[in-house]
Amino acid sequence: GQQVMQIPQYQHVQEGEDFTTYCNSSTTLSNIQWYKQRPGGHPVFLIQLVKSGEVKKQKRLTFQFGEAKKNSSLHITATQTTDVGTYFCALPSGSARQLTFGSGTQLTVLP
Amino acid sequence: DTAVSQTPKYLVTQMGNDKSIKCEQNLGHDTMYWYKQDSKKFLKIMFSYNNKELIINETVPNRFSPKSPDKAHLNLHINSLELGDSAVYFCASSQGMVFRSPLHFGNGTRLTVT
Repeated sequence: GQQVMQIPQYQHVQEGEDFTTYCNSSTTLSNIQWYKQRPGGHPVFLIQLVKSGEVKKQKRLTFQFGEAKKNSSLHITATQTTDVGTYFCALPSGSARQLTFGSGTQLTVLP
Repeated sequence: DTAVSQTPKYLVTQMGNDKSIKCEQNLGHDTMYWYKQDSKKFLKIMFSYNNKELIINETVPNRFSPKSPDKAHLNLHINSLELGDSAVYFCASSQGMVFRSPLHFGNGTRLTVT
């Protein structure tokens, strides 16, 4: 089955510091999605990456898809307390009929 | 005008009981899912349901049974609840194949089995 590793599992940063989470797959991906889950909330879709080497930005968030389409990263510049939550990558699996989530990175931002 | 709604929000019950969680989406999506999130935040697909085709994650015990009366509803029935079933259960929906459309999640049902 689809193997996906997401690191780190936990990250504590001081407000204003940068943060990056990485997602690595054992196989080439057709696309990858990223979700954010606030504490006590539900996962919310952030973005989808499809093209090799693709880079997309949403304000302070930068998403990258590797050239070989086997890895992806989410980088947050100058974290704020509103960035607190768990960030998940998600990959299509089972002939693209299901989405397999990475283990998530729980981000804590200290004021 | 909640997009994906599930009830109840909290469910506390004893081992051995049978319970159901309901999910409804008003997005007009044709595919619905159930995910289980454990205490370590791992999100695991349990079922997906599209046009009466049910795709089951093979690791899900057969005590769990999804029921879809129509494409806007996907309920989850659990028989003979066990302590290990305690988790947050999320319903989600999407339009078509997941690589074309993101998932929209409900607010979750926190199940506690005592």
